[in-house]
Amino acid sequence: NAGVTQTPKFQVLKTGQSMTLQCAQDMNHNSMYWYRQDPGMGLRLIYYSASEGTTDKGEVPNGYNVSRLNKREFSLRLESAAPSQTSVYFCASSPGVYSNQPQHFGDGTRLSIL
Amino acid sequence: DQQVKQNSPSLSVQEGRISILNCDYTNSMFDYFLWYKKYPAEGPTFLISISSIKDKNEDGRFTVFLNKSAKHLSLHIVPSQPGDSAVYFCAASVPKASYDKVIFGPGTSLSVIP
Repeated sequence: NAGVTQTPKFQVLKTGQSMTLQCAQDMNHNSMYWYRQDPGMGLRLIYYSASEGTTDKGEVPNGYNVSRLNKREFSLRLESAAPSQTSVYFCASSPGVYSNQPQHFGDGTRLSIL
Repeated sequence: DQQVKQNSPSLSVQEGRISILNCDYTNSMFDYFLWYKKYPAEGPTFLISISSIKDKNEDGRFTVFLNKSAKHLSLHIVPSQPGDSAVYFCAASVPKASYDKVIFGPGTSLSVIP
């Protein structure tokens, strides 16, 4: 049982390049999330998808887009990467959007933008 | 402005002793609190949670205490084991219209010394 799988694990981009971070879960969860983690800060929510077919902005959505491709997959796209987007990105899923249904996280994608 | 604070970036404890990790919050609307544990190169994993209607929740070696009047919660690990060495994130949740917004603290790195 893989849980939440993120690809790639590492990526280096040049400023202005685009890329898509992939996330898939096999727990039949309804809700999925994208976070970024920066040094000295907690995880910050970029976008979330409460259920298949819906997406909403989190705390720090600027510069990102998402697609909930189906119930299993939720991708994060950087259209024109900027150095400020250098971070570790985590995807998570949960049965629903309520906090008593804790989130399950992937192992992260470490992204560096030069 | 961090709404969830973990003022100790790191903590070292001898194996077998008690580890106490602290967390303070500023928003009185938070109604659910969670602790996540993170090993290097892995995603956070859910550890324990507590509702604001309780002041204590226990799960094996882990106990979380909530003091609402002080806006403070703590995680106690007794006895501490080397495998507990990890970063611990405190998180607090506030209900919003379409989801429970979860705010993460910056984390405390715990080292349990054999």
